[in-house]
Amino acid sequence: YVLTQSPPVSVAPGQSARITCGGRNIGDKRVHWYQHKAGQAPMVVVYEDRYRPSGIPERFSGFNSGDTATLTISGVGAGDEADYYCQVWDTDTVHGPVFGPGTKVTVL
Amino acid sequence: QITLKESGPTLLEPTQTLTLTCSLSGFSLTSGVAVAWIRQPPGKALEWLSLIYWDDTKRYSPSLESRLIITKDIPKNQVVLTMTKMSPDDTGTYFCGYIGDSWVNYWGQGTLVTVSA
Repeated sequence: YVLTQSPPVSVAPGQSARITCGGRNIGDKRVHWYQHKAGQAPMVVVYEDRYRPSGIPERFSGFNSGDTATLTISGVGAGDEADYYCQVWDTDTVHGPVFGPGTKVTVL
Repeated sequence: QITLKESGPTLLEPTQTLTLTCSLSGFSLTSGVAVAWIRQPPGKALEWLSLIYWDDTKRYSPSLESRLIITKDIPKNQVVLTMTKMSPDDTGTYFCGYIGDSWVNYWGQGTLVTVSA
């Protein structure tokens, strides 16, 4: 199962960043989103399409339907600058996690 | 508190075998959980390598399956990944992670492995 992601995005502080993750009928799968800052471990910011772990602000929201899943970061701040990866579970072939290629979010 | 910590060599020569250990804390590899290995080459994306379930079921990335072996040591609360025939293309940061359902809930800090002559 192959995932694609939208190109890098640059956003001014306070604006919104929208990242998409594409896959065939991805709406039938559960999509998880990770934030990865340089030198740190990745961290899940949205799991199962739209749920936020404890401690993740409401500014992070997810949606999944059809062939596209979306992560939206509202009111972007400097601390949101990172690479963002989507991930699904491939139940058909590898029987394991599949990651997207990542999208770099730069805060201007 | 669940934590994971990777350990292993930082520098290898081409053709050598890499052995990485993931030490688990705050949980044991018992019912319902799995531990995965994921790597990130410099400047590239995350790549899943292997995972092992509590019941010893093992899964491998098809592209690397012939070079990987994953095992668990319950008394030591560790998961070990072995990768043979290392090359410079295998240089990167290697993470282990706790999987409770279908995503990596907790990650180790990662360990950088460099393959160079």
